Amino acid sequence: GAVVSQHPSWVICKSGTSVKIECRSLDFQATTMFWYRQFPKQSLMLMATSNEGSKATYEQGVEKDKFLINHASLTLSTLTVTSAHPEDSSFYICSARAQVTNQPQHFGDGTRLSIL
Amino acid sequence: ILNVEQSPQSLHVQEGDSTNFTCSFPSSNFYALHWYRWETAKSPEALFVMTLNGDEKKKGRISATLNTKEGYSYLYIKGSQPEDSATYLCAFMIPGDSGYALNFGKGTSLLVTP
Repeated sequence: GAVVSQHPSWVICKSGTSVKIECRSLDFQATTMFWYRQFPKQSLMLMATSNEGSKATYEQGVEKDKFLINHASLTLSTLTVTSAHPEDSSFYICSARAQVTNQPQHFGDGTRLSIL
Repeated sequence: ILNVEQSPQSLHVQEGDSTNFTCSFPSSNFYALHWYRWETAKSPEALFVMTLNGDEKKKGRISATLNTKEGYSYLYIKGSQPEDSATYLCAFMIPGDSGYALNFGKGTSLLVTP
């Protein structure tokens, strides 16, 4: 089956640090990649959608200058949490989809981010 | 944000029991409904993508039905096994500014004990 690799899986860092999370599709070309965030006992919330070679589209309430998304190739998207603060601590997970809209999304393992 | 409701929130069954959970979603502007299984420390795994009213899909002991007119989908597990223990997520596909995105429910957490 399609494999998506997300890394790192766990980050602890000081407030003010910028953190980059990578999401790679290993065996298929991901035309579209999605970034989600999940707070405890809540559902996965879509943060942004990125299509290869285009600027990401952010959901309402998600600061694009805070969460920088780059999708420069068909196999790699990155999410950079800039100047992270304790309230950014959360579980971040990416997914990728090939060109056909009605195909399932393939998820990474997620990144647990803790800002001290 | 469109509400996707899943029930029950959690479920504990004995090995061999059959079980089912519900996903409710807005019935207007339906495009597709996804089911995923998410085991602890792993990535969510796609189970089904359902698009047509009356759809019924099956994968081994797991099956799902879809009613788009009334806005619900059922997931059934026949003869539950401990390895079925996971959180089961449903997600309603909605059109957005950059195409179709998934709107997830909070999931049903299933524990199957021997």
